[in-house]
Amino acid sequence: GAGVSQSPRYKVAKRGQDVALRCDPISGHVSLFWYQQALGQGPEFLTYFQNEAQLDKSGLPSDRFFAERPEGSVSTLKIQRTQQEDSAVYLCASSLTPGGITGELFFGEGSRLTVL
Amino acid sequence: AQSVAQPEDQVNVAEGNPLTVKCTYSVSGNPYLFWYVQYPNRGLQFLLKYITGDNLVKGSYGFEAEFNKSQTSFHLKKPSALVSDSALYFCAVRDVRPDRGSTLGRLYFGRGTQLTVWP
Repeated sequence: GAGVSQSPRYKVAKRGQDVALRCDPISGHVSLFWYQQALGQGPEFLTYFQNEAQLDKSGLPSDRFFAERPEGSVSTLKIQRTQQEDSAVYLCASSLTPGGITGELFFGEGSRLTVL
Repeated sequence: AQSVAQPEDQVNVAEGNPLTVKCTYSVSGNPYLFWYVQYPNRGLQFLLKYITGDNLVKGSYGFEAEFNKSQTSFHLKKPSALVSDSALYFCAVRDVRPDRGSTLGRLYFGRGTQLTVWP
């Protein structure tokens, strides 16, 4: 497709369950970002990939969060042993430029995670 | 550290009237500033950015923003609001002096301002 695609759009998980969120960026985009958006808040940075390399994971809130982009295209954000505080919308964004330095990111619609 | 403040959670304006959505910022160097818009059930969309040059920046859908260095502000404006402009607006600043291991292109977002334009 022409835009960034994320799946699933909605996920309900029981506390302690593992979840995996997928992002399919715009073809040819070098940079891929994951952001977390809690209710009533702005997006907060989680991690950044340049092609297949994870260059910045400083925003991941705990070691339960793991992201990968093995072939430099599709990315997966995995959350292990989910907790209620993980409930949020997880946004994926891609950019043609390394580091997304132009600031113009293309966002997906997000995956809304609800942990019960 | 970089940060952005959007002092208004909500802005309400009548269609045809001018609108302003406020944003102030704090950065350690020269600011790179952005506005994004989020329509219901849609992803964030880039509206405009200020990197350097003219203080008045023009963007998509007739929006513009004015950079004011002395007031550390980057307010979003539109001369005549439309009902279809109703959405959630986010101001963001780019990390211009990243810490070691931090990404230059990482954006710091404000909390967002809900704009409602009524007919």
